[in-house]
Amino acid sequence: AQTVTQSQPEMSVQEAETVTLSCTYDTSESDYYLFWYKQPPSRQMILVIRQEAYKQQNATENRFSVNFQKAAKSFSLKISDSQLGDAAMYFCAYRGSNYKLTFGKGTLLTVNP
Amino acid sequence: EAGVAQSPRYKIIEKRQSVAFWCNPISGHATLYWYQQILGQGPKLLIQFQNNGVVDDSQLPKDRFSAERLKGVDSTLKIQPAKLEDSAVYLCASSLSQRGGRRETQYFGPGTRLLVL
Repeated sequence: AQTVTQSQPEMSVQEAETVTLSCTYDTSESDYYLFWYKQPPSRQMILVIRQEAYKQQNATENRFSVNFQKAAKSFSLKISDSQLGDAAMYFCAYRGSNYKLTFGKGTLLTVNP
Repeated sequence: EAGVAQSPRYKIIEKRQSVAFWCNPISGHATLYWYQQILGQGPKLLIQFQNNGVVDDSQLPKDRFSAERLKGVDSTLKIQPAKLEDSAVYLCASSLSQRGGRRETQYFGPGTRLLVL
């Protein structure tokens, strides 16, 4: 079974600075997708960014980018120019051949003004 | 477009009582998911519907949980009888395609926070 591990329960960053959230996963599959979801205090989870395992190029979405290391099974999220609105719980998720999303336990990000 | 709607937002019940949650997915979305999110953990899939058929209910505790999606639109999730360990946020999500493809974005509702006393 696939597992997703987020080793940082909490992280903090100063406004306008850069922060990196870590995620590792375990799988025997070669074709899969990885996702980062953001869950603000209101609880509505939204997709931040996704990465297909077959694409070597790291995905980017505005201030959000990933560092995907397939051999190391690592998928970190970098948030540049952090804003107060980035404060939330961030979940790393995996979807493989069974089409099921498997989530990590999440990292709570605090942004300090 | 309107997002995924869920009600109620909060529910407090005593153990052994029953409770039901309602979800209205985004219009036109064929696939609907129910997740359980226990405090301090990531969401765990309980059941997945494709239109009004069940695709995956392998992690649904079928002795007490049930779910249905009549007419392939709205869905209800029921717990009967509730246990203390059922205290969690229940999230509903939907996605567009018939097959719920791996690349697809799942759109989540705000969730229902359940407290069982």
